[in-house]
Amino acid sequence: QQPVQSPQAVILREGEDAVINCSSSKALYSVHWYRQKHGEAPVFLMILLKGGEQKGHEKISASFNEKKQQSSLYLTASQLSYSGTYFCGTEVITNAGNNRKLIWGLGTSLAVNP
Amino acid sequence: DTGVSQNPRHKITKRGQNVTFRCDPISEHNRLYWYRQTLGQGPEFLTYFQNEAQLEKSRLLSDRFSAERPKGSFSTLEIQRTEQGDSAMYLCASSPGLAGDNEQFFGPGTRLTVL
Repeated sequence: QQPVQSPQAVILREGEDAVINCSSSKALYSVHWYRQKHGEAPVFLMILLKGGEQKGHEKISASFNEKKQQSSLYLTASQLSYSGTYFCGTEVITNAGNNRKLIWGLGTSLAVNP
Repeated sequence: DTGVSQNPRHKITKRGQNVTFRCDPISEHNRLYWYRQTLGQGPEFLTYFQNEAQLEKSRLLSDRFSAERPKGSFSTLEIQRTEQGDSAMYLCASSPGLAGDNEQFFGPGTRLTVL
């Protein structure tokens, strides 16, 4: 059930773009994107709920495909502050009905260099 | 509101000892989650509460782990007879619990080292 993130690591020069993918074998209720810097707690970026949805702003945005099995995070004109590990958390409906929990990918390490 | 807080921030214990961690969520957040994270891995779900009710507990969790949220506010996570494999960062998160919007706000974590 764990989503698959790719790539595992990315190294960019400041100003370059990157795409991080998150795939699931099953349709999802939602996808969450978080960024975690070394030694800190994860910080929320955005949630996608609807198939075909695109969200975010010019620099950091994400999409959720129609089948709700894949999401991509787009980082445009990267800044030094974008460095960190990006996690997708996929929300599934559990056997208990409305109870939901996040299953996290292994993360994508992003380093932005000057 | 100062966000989610966790205490202690660091805990070093000897194998076999019991430890207890506390999490204070953002006030009025109905949902509270516990995760464990080891180096190079994503957060691993442990359990979660809707108010005071524990709705799910990971099957990966042994009987040595127990969590409570007695009044639907703060929560405690206890690990009995700690083992070296329990060494990890223990993260707590809370969310409003509103339908469709489950942004989780994380606390700073408690780093456990079992010697």
